[in-house]
Amino acid sequence: DTAVSQTPKYLVTQMGNDKSIKCEQNLGHDTMYWYKQDSKKFLKIMFSYNNKELIINETVPNRFSPKSPDKAHLNLHINSLELGDSAVYFCASSQVGVRGPRVAFFGQGTRLTVV
Amino acid sequence: AQSVTQLDSHVSVSEGTPVLLRCNYSSSYSPSLFWYVQHPNKGLQLLLKYTSAATLVKGINGFEAEFKKSETSFHLTKPSAHMSDAAEYFCVVSAPGGGSNYKLTFGKGTLLTVNP
Repeated sequence: DTAVSQTPKYLVTQMGNDKSIKCEQNLGHDTMYWYKQDSKKFLKIMFSYNNKELIINETVPNRFSPKSPDKAHLNLHINSLELGDSAVYFCASSQVGVRGPRVAFFGQGTRLTVV
Repeated sequence: AQSVTQLDSHVSVSEGTPVLLRCNYSSSYSPSLFWYVQHPNKGLQLLLKYTSAATLVKGINGFEAEFKKSETSFHLTKPSAHMSDAAEYFCVVSAPGGGSNYKLTFGKGTLLTVNP
């Protein structure tokens, strides 16, 4: 009954490959996110979807393409993987509270290693 | 625009002694503020949140934080550190309210080590 679940947890792949990370939330939230955590632990937002619509798209190479088939899912597809894409990718979801603010719940992360 | 600065990248304490993790924020609005904790190789867990209802916010595991508007600070404290508190802690800011408030801005994190 995990609230925000990501698969896979670990992903090791070669440069140039295409890979996908899947995320599902069972909290009934209306907004989902992808964050990237670099080797120095810094977390930066990549994308956010609200009710399946893209609302935040930070400066991310267009090799990264999010897809939200429904409110409960937000997948991340990465084309032509590069060494610099190695990081931990976190999925999150949120819902505005009765008195706000939005509280984000995070998945366990996907550690992507590009070799 | 919003930003958050965690003043210490690493804090080391002895078990049983107080913990202080410092955070300053910058926001065009009255912000919403959070502390998240990340244990090694784990996801992020919400410790506490500031919702403007009370300036002193109590969270899980004995942590609390005080919102000080005059100092633009939201420091995290705990009276007595436990070994299990060793983790990375993130101070997070976002614009107030729900609606179009979607973006969380993270500080760079403070690594807390607890010595026996």
